[in-house]
Amino acid sequence: KQEVTQIPAALSVPEGENLVLNCSFTDSAIYNLQWFRQDPGKGLTSLLLIQSSQREQTSGRLNASLDKSSGRSTLYIAASQPGDSATYLCAVKEGGKLIFGQGTELSVKP
Amino acid sequence: NAGVTQTPKFQVLKTGQSMTLQCAQDMNHNSMYWYRQDPGMGLRLIYYSASEGTTDKGEVPNGYNVSRLNKREFSLRLESAAPSQTSVYFCASSEAPMGVAYEQYFGPGTRLTVT
Repeated sequence: KQEVTQIPAALSVPEGENLVLNCSFTDSAIYNLQWFRQDPGKGLTSLLLIQSSQREQTSGRLNASLDKSSGRSTLYIAASQPGDSATYLCAVKEGGKLIFGQGTELSVKP
Repeated sequence: NAGVTQTPKFQVLKTGQSMTLQCAQDMNHNSMYWYRQDPGMGLRLIYYSASEGTTDKGEVPNGYNVSRLNKREFSLRLESAAPSQTSVYFCASSEAPMGVAYEQYFGPGTRLTVT
């Protein structure tokens, strides 16, 4: 059974710091991996999607990598800002569904 | 630019009452999904519809029914609400059927409390 784990569960950093969020999965037979952002009391916003054949995707200050063989993905956020404070979730698409990690709650202090 | 919309935003039910959560998307997507999000459990798939006219069970379907009314709308019904169904419910849609690698887009959620 596919399991998705995100470590750490919570992270607090000062503004301007570069940071890495981690996502690991147990079964490498995935179609893609998607990173989402969730603000308190809100829905999920898709940030980046990496197809199983790709190694990384970039959008602005965000860069996501995928290593299927080791079952890992990282989300790199450059020059963090207080507006980046949110919960970040990764999800793998396996067969017919998305399987989510439990998220990393990020707080960026001014 | 509505995307995925859900109604209602909040709802309080008493045990045994029934209700329907509504979801609509304006992106002409084929596939639609219902999830629930609970503290410590993450997001779990309740039901999905790969295309108009089809529905399938997800990970936690017990206590729920769904209807894919047309390509735009996918509703979730609780026939006899239980306190264990207190949760935040999210609807999502994607362009392609479940097995193909496409992004899912989420609605803002419905916060349901069952007392």
